[in-house]
Amino acid sequence: KNQVEQSPQSLIILEGKNCTLQCNYTVSPFSNLRWYKQDTGRGPVSLTIMTFSENTKSNGRYTATLDADTKQSSLHITASQLSDSASYICVVSANYGGSQGNLIFGKGTKLSVKP
Amino acid sequence: NAGVTQTPKFRVLKTGQSMTLLCAQDMNHEYMYWYRQDPGMGLRLIHYSVGEGTTAKGEVPDGYNVSRLKKQNFLLGLESAAPSQTSVYFCASSPLRYNEQFFGPGTRLTVL
Repeated sequence: KNQVEQSPQSLIILEGKNCTLQCNYTVSPFSNLRWYKQDTGRGPVSLTIMTFSENTKSNGRYTATLDADTKQSSLHITASQLSDSASYICVVSANYGGSQGNLIFGKGTKLSVKP
Repeated sequence: NAGVTQTPKFRVLKTGQSMTLLCAQDMNHEYMYWYRQDPGMGLRLIHYSVGEGTTAKGEVPDGYNVSRLKKQNFLLGLESAAPSQTSVYFCASSPLRYNEQFFGPGTRLTVL
């Protein structure tokens, strides 16, 4: 069964600190992996998207890594800011049939950055 | 560009009532999607469209209908609302199948 598991469920860190969020997946055949940021009361916004051949991608203070062999991804946030408080969603796309790309969504990690 | 917009932002319905949620995008995207998001669960696909005049079922289509008469609009209908349809509904669009999806701000629906 295609699944995306994220950990931790929630995380509290102090402003200025770094943190790493984890995503493990059992999706096959794999097409790409995306990380989205969702602010409270808003729609998700894409941070990064990685294909099978990419093992790291950065977007400002956000760096995503992908290990396609172990089917793991991480999202590292550097020098956190209060505005980083949000849910971070890992989404994996399966490359088989269906025009919508068969996206499998994780439940998200809720990050709270405290002053 | 407004991106993806959704109407209304909030709505309260009584069981059995009907309503239509409107999604509009101004990015000329071919693909459009309707999701629902419930506490403790990931986003789940209700219906999607790969172009004007086409629609298809997603993971949780029961109780919903959709239409895409114009490329820029994707409507989600609830014919007879049930409390189990209380949720936050998100619309999204993308230019191609595996591209990034752009999400709207969501519609919070409560069915009493």
